Amino acid sequence: ILNVEQSPQSLHVQEGDSTNFTCSFPSSNFYALHWYRWETAKSPEALFVMTLNGDEKKKGRISATLNTKEGYSYLYIKGSQPEDSATYLCAFGQAGTALIFGKGTTLSVSS
Amino acid sequence: DTEVTQTPKHLVMGMTNKKSLKCEQHMGHRAMYWYKQKAKKPPELMFVYSYEKLSINESVPSRFSPECPNSSLLNLHLHALQPEDSALYLCASSLQDKGTYEQYFGPGTRLTVT
Repeated sequence: ILNVEQSPQSLHVQEGDSTNFTCSFPSSNFYALHWYRWETAKSPEALFVMTLNGDEKKKGRISATLNTKEGYSYLYIKGSQPEDSATYLCAFGQAGTALIFGKGTTLSVSS
Repeated sequence: DTEVTQTPKHLVMGMTNKKSLKCEQHMGHRAMYWYKQKAKKPPELMFVYSYEKLSINESVPSRFSPECPNSSLLNLHLHALQPEDSALYLCASSLQDKGTYEQYFGPGTRLTVT
């Protein structure tokens, strides 16, 4: 059974803090790693799709890294803002299989 | 248009009812997905359609019946559901059903089975 683990489960930070969370996945037969952001009452929105070991992606204040050999990805948010409050989901894909989602990290940013 | 729409937003149905959930996208995506998501759990894949053909059925009970009438539409027909089927049902699409393509999600249908 393939397992995708995300930690922490939830996180509360102050506006301006930088934060990061982890997604762990099986290191065998890696194909792709996705990050999604899911705000309450909205649709999950794709942040990044990463396929290569050592990939680093950036979108504004959010960035992600990928280590396929050891099976983890980090998502970083620099200078958190209240609008960053959301659940961040990672999803892992092996060749020929559908994505498997983690349970998510719920981030709350207070002003 | 980068939107996936789902109707209805909320649905309450009895165990003997028949209802359908609808999903639509006009991005030219050839893969469409149904996920089920229960509180505090990750989205669980139910079905994948690729080029309008069912390519993955994750051992979903037959009381859920998917249909893809054309490349823009995806339906989920519901019949004789159980209260434990109450959940958020998410539709998604991607350019193709390869893991390297990001998925675009709809807002979901919140289903309650009474």
